[in-house]
Amino acid sequence: RKEVEQDPGPFNVPEGATVAFNCTYSNSASQSFFWYRQDCRKEPKLLMSVYSSGNEDGRFTAQLNRASQYISLLIRDSKLSDSATYLCVVNFSGGYQKVTFGTGTKLQVIP
Amino acid sequence: DTAVSQTPKYLVTQMGNDKSIKCEQNLGHDTMYWYKQDSKKFLKIMFSYNNKELIINETVPNRFSPKSPDKAHLNLHINSLELGDSAVYFCASSQDLAGNTDTQYFGPGTRLTVL
Repeated sequence: RKEVEQDPGPFNVPEGATVAFNCTYSNSASQSFFWYRQDCRKEPKLLMSVYSSGNEDGRFTAQLNRASQYISLLIRDSKLSDSATYLCVVNFSGGYQKVTFGTGTKLQVIP
Repeated sequence: DTAVSQTPKYLVTQMGNDKSIKCEQNLGHDTMYWYKQDSKKFLKIMFSYNNKELIINETVPNRFSPKSPDKAHLNLHINSLELGDSAVYFCASSQDLAGNTDTQYFGPGTRLTVL
């Protein structure tokens, strides 16, 4: 099993739709979680951290399910500008540091 | 102002050559990283330095040698370049070690092509 797994997509959704991505991780001792966004031929940029209690930032909602070892990202009212690849990041810190990126989920919002 | 900068942005070179990529951050962060993103877009950490000390060293050929002259700079030197080294290399920094909740800020990337 890969350390961090994501469905590569692409997810093709119409403008205004709601779309959700999941990301599963294998290390149950993982401690912090993030969603990053990467536009084509650009660097990754933080979209949001993922907290145990779940968190929301405008149209974006992130959740963590430790029991099932996955994080999710929900995008409501999709905009054309949301088209990008969404990377999930899992950090472990316990005697050594480990930062693991998922392979990303590609989202294409269609007019 | 550029937070994390890398030079060069593009690098085309022949197999067997030695090349360096430079990275600088002006955020006052303690930790810097090098990542490799291959043609399948998989982003994999290579090295992490905290206050000029090596913290993470993933399984990377010893042809790759990072150098941190001070905590604002982390350069990557690659010896005897191979075709498989072709990728985009990203530098990043964070306030502290990535094990906590700190955001990583990425440079614009260096697209390396080995012919």
